[in-house]
Amino acid sequence: ETGVTQSPTHLIKTRGQQVTLRCSSQSGHNTVSWYQQALGQGPQFIFQYYREEENGRGNFPPRFSGLQFPNYSSELNVNALELDDSALYLCASSVGTGELVGTDTQYFGPGTRLTVL
Amino acid sequence: GENVEQHPSTLSVQEGDSAVIKCTYSDSASNYFPWYKQELGKRPQLIIDIRSNVGEKKDQRIAVTLNKTAKHFSLHITETQPEDSAVYFCAARSTGGSYIPTFGRGTSLIVHP
Repeated sequence: ETGVTQSPTHLIKTRGQQVTLRCSSQSGHNTVSWYQQALGQGPQFIFQYYREEENGRGNFPPRFSGLQFPNYSSELNVNALELDDSALYLCASSVGTGELVGTDTQYFGPGTRLTVL
Repeated sequence: GENVEQHPSTLSVQEGDSAVIKCTYSDSASNYFPWYKQELGKRPQLIIDIRSNVGEKKDQRIAVTLNKTAKHFSLHITETQPEDSAVYFCAARSTGGSYIPTFGRGTSLIVHP
């Protein structure tokens, strides 16, 4: 198992609400990436944080936002939840160099299962 | 952006047989290709990866091959065991601009005892 942890494990929200998901990166890792994994699909890249700055973003609307803290832990915030936001949200940590955003080997956390009713 | 196609979506084999999963990618700038195994309800775990300066890499029963000219890479599992049953994802990283890893849709491997 990796040293990446996520909380909470499961979450149920209703449409229009806001949610915050948390991720603690593996020791020594300074880069955190967030992914959305819908049922039966591969993970889709949301964004990546390197040294507290967003450093790469996938095709997700601005209501998906994040933070990275000085200890390299991270939060994913989703505003105005929609039914389609129901998914497993994964974070992955890695060691970044700042030039190429993130290095190659990412280690995933166990995920947060979000259900939007 | 990068586009990764993965086939087949489901693969059923008998224990001891070999399994091959294939992925194609579109961005010739991609230079890193990891494979992940995800068991039901668990996190994706990296099982093997390959970089564009290498054509083949092997780790015990698992191997990955890369054909940069054709832009495809494959995962080979030999002597399959029931515990190999899981969903396998390939991914490709483009070096153009920001690091945006793109995953395939996954292959559900079922190994029958």
